[in-house]
Amino acid sequence: DAGITQSPRHKVTETGTPVTLRCHQTENHRYMYWYRQDPGHGLRLIHYSYGVKDTDKGEVSDGYSVSRSKTEDFLLTLESATSSQTSVYFCAISADRAGGYTFGSGTRLTVV
Amino acid sequence: DAKTTQPPSMDCAEGRAANLPCNHSTISGNEYVYWYRQIHSQGPQYIIHGLKNNETNEMASLIITEDRKSSTLILPHATLRDTAVYYCIVQSGGGADGLTFGKGTHLIIQP
Repeated sequence: DAGITQSPRHKVTETGTPVTLRCHQTENHRYMYWYRQDPGHGLRLIHYSYGVKDTDKGEVSDGYSVSRSKTEDFLLTLESATSSQTSVYFCAISADRAGGYTFGSGTRLTVV
Repeated sequence: DAKTTQPPSMDCAEGRAANLPCNHSTISGNEYVYWYRQIHSQGPQYIIHGLKNNETNEMASLIITEDRKSSTLILPHATLRDTAVYYCIVQSGGGADGLTFGKGTHLIIQP
């Protein structure tokens, strides 16, 4: 969607390798989120950020780390990818505590 | 512990109004009701949200009962492109610490 970009859109990686997904926004929104979506589990929150260098864990944070060194970028790193991390990853942004989220188009990650 | 209850699936004829119900009987006074939808393989799309009053925007209307224990999302003139999974979410603080998505309602618009 306009104002939020995820990269890469698709990635295949090997078990045990580190992987970084990028979420870039041009809206200057304060809040950013990483979700994963799997069949049978729906959307689950991994990590979120409420400002530069301010991040916190979500429901399924094990095996993931995040960084936000500037407002526009929120990086999700899989420290050592496992097959259980094969999923579609969505980034979302929000301007304020009561507003709606805008989601990106997703990154389809396959760990082989 | 689910905060909302939605039917797993619904059908609606194209051109008719689609009325999607959501029960949230344990809602707290500071919790908002949010509606999102997800068209197959795309990112979820924000539709509308409200606290107490009914709300309307260019996409839909949100009707919240007076006791706030249930709500209805209304798509006034459904088209085939409205076929999607619709999520009703109840959350406080506007979801600054992340919205919790349930299983939603799969709405199928029939031609």
